[in-house]
Amino acid sequence: DIQMTQSPSSLSASVGDRVTITCRASQGIGNDLGWYQQKSGKAPKRLIYAASSLQSGVPSRFSGSGSGTEFTLTISSLQPEDFATYYCLQHNSYPLTFGGGTKVEIK
Amino acid sequence: EVQLVESGGGLVQPGGSLRLSCAASGFTFSTYSMNWVRQAPGKGLEWVSYISSTGTTIYDADSVKGRFSISRDNAKNSLYLQMNSLRDEDTAVYYCARVGSGSPLGYWGQGTLVTVSS
Repeated sequence: DIQMTQSPSSLSASVGDRVTITCRASQGIGNDLGWYQQKSGKAPKRLIYAASSLQSGVPSRFSGSGSGTEFTLTISSLQPEDFATYYCLQHNSYPLTFGGGTKVEIK
Repeated sequence: EVQLVESGGGLVQPGGSLRLSCAASGFTFSTYSMNWVRQAPGKGLEWVSYISSTGTTIYDADSVKGRFSISRDNAKNSLYLQMNSLRDEDTAVYYCARVGSGSPLGYWGQGTLVTVSS
């Protein structure tokens, strides 16, 4: 099984800050990676697919990069509505595996 | 518009059974593979099961293998998860999800809560 190691597990940031979240795969997965945002009590919402493609309707302050084993989600200027938990997902092979999540909190 | 609506969750005793349903609309259900994903209270996301569009290929997470069974009825635009021998650790919100934009989890339902407790 492919393990996804996500860091940090939580972070505190201010509105306007640049935020970076990282996921590392235990083996190469090409660009078979997505990033999801989840707010309390809601279903996850996909932000990024194929490692760096922005889902339609998602603000351009979100971006993804990486391939192989190292991936990054960047929020260029954190907005109040961005405070949530973020997950990466590898879909290179089954079982699908998620990172442990990053909770982004208000500083 | 793609819509996925889960139902069938509730309170069940350890060792009991429950059948979840996911009603699909807004797309040709029979042409898409589907997945179940769950999330225990306060925990992260865990993939549970996959079924191909025709139902001929199925994958299950090790944590549910032999206890849970995914199935579908393309004539009824419905996905199912039969859960047997339920354990406390199966307590979670269960989501069904469809392929979208090259990812197996492109569209999600709102989830249904399963609570396993005596």
